[in-house]
Amino acid sequence: DTAVSQTPKYLVTQMGNDKSIKCEQNLGHDTMYWYKQDSKKFLKIMFSYNNKELIINETVPNRFSPKSPDKAHLNLHINSLELGDSAVYFCASRYRGGNTEAFFGQGTRLTVV
Amino acid sequence: AQKITQTQPGMFVQEKEAVTLDCTYDTSDPSYGLFWYKQPSSGEMIFLIYQGSYDQQNATEGRYSLNFQKARKSANLVISASQLGDSAMYFCAMRESGFGNEKLTFGTGTRLTIIP
Repeated sequence: DTAVSQTPKYLVTQMGNDKSIKCEQNLGHDTMYWYKQDSKKFLKIMFSYNNKELIINETVPNRFSPKSPDKAHLNLHINSLELGDSAVYFCASRYRGGNTEAFFGQGTRLTVV
Repeated sequence: AQKITQTQPGMFVQEKEAVTLDCTYDTSDPSYGLFWYKQPSSGEMIFLIYQGSYDQQNATEGRYSLNFQKARKSANLVISASQLGDSAMYFCAMRESGFGNEKLTFGTGTRLTIIP
């Protein structure tokens, strides 16, 4: 069973469109994240939620809006897509108590044309 | 300032040799964790090993060990007896303590290629 699953795996869309990426984890974790990996492979935090509460918003344009309907889900909605949004987006989760590693989803490759 | 520095953009290593991937970090937080992740060409992020700032011993997980030198702020990954399947990008990451710091800060990665 997949621990952290993201859909879709690939997303190709035109500039100006609105799109969503979904993430679900079945690990019982209480904290979820969105990371962005750019074309140079650099990974950077975007958002983090703990028990549905936003705890990190790392100067991301407000065209990006995360939504956490429950502890197991963290979706990412992107409005008015721009060419520079093309990247791989990773969802991750972990249990906040203690020194635990984050488990990553398989990534969503977003291409804006 | 860079919080995590990986100075080796790429490395080529003969199969079966040991390899050390360098990582230095910068933090004033006394409590932090250091992580290594592997990203093969298929793209997923695979957790390899963890070292806590208060851990007295270097972490080991199978063929992976972490050479933790706290005074030098370095956390190098050592892979023993490298295999072709070890060819991948390797990322060092740090998580500091405190509410709002609960994120991984990544280095720029090292692309490791194992030569048969």
